[in-house]
Amino acid sequence: GAVVSQHPSRVICKSGTSVKIECRSLDFQATTMFWYRQFPKQSLMLMATSNEGSKATYEQGVEKDKFLINHASLTLSTLTVTSAHPEDSSFYICSARSSGDSTDTQYFGPGTRLTVL
Amino acid sequence: LAKTTQPISMDSYEGQEVNITCSHNNIATNDYITWYQQFPSQGPRFIIQGYKTKVTNEVASLFIPADRKSSTLSLPRVSLSDTAVYYCLVGGVNNQGGKLIFGQGTELSVKP
Repeated sequence: GAVVSQHPSRVICKSGTSVKIECRSLDFQATTMFWYRQFPKQSLMLMATSNEGSKATYEQGVEKDKFLINHASLTLSTLTVTSAHPEDSSFYICSARSSGDSTDTQYFGPGTRLTVL
Repeated sequence: LAKTTQPISMDSYEGQEVNITCSHNNIATNDYITWYQQFPSQGPRFIIQGYKTKVTNEVASLFIPADRKSSTLSLPRVSLSDTAVYYCLVGGVNNQGGKLIFGQGTELSVKP
């Protein structure tokens, strides 16, 4: 149980294009999902909190117009990197917290490697 | 959110017990302590979670003293496949909506 998937696992795109990454909770409902970014040899950096049915909450320094987040259902959140540039190349990871889980256990997806040429 | 402090790296040999200690002096009353393992180019994997005293599962034990200002992850008889980065996190659903802020983690290297 508690499986989170991400699609695609890796993507290569040209500078200026937009890329959508999907995060799904496969066997539980997730009221809240989180999006992280990880650069090589660094820790995970929280980008935003995605709440089902409402606007995402972005961390300081993260551009909400560049990283569009949609959480339309209890099992799916999407992150769209708009007008991607080489500096957006990174490992993007989502996590999901089970609805009603007071222990705050987050389950992470396998990550998406984005390379912008 | 409670800040955590862990050793940056640790070395061990196969078959040894490894203990990684994490300090979280500002832990809130409702916060849980959770440890994750991460291999390169993979998402973090849940290892164990606790609130107080001792928790044990099939892969690890978690020791939490009464004041909860620190915790120790214990990995019994490590193998080469346990080489990974281990993160200690504290948080709770009642603390800023359950956000978890990752520290630098502990890079564990298991040698033959």
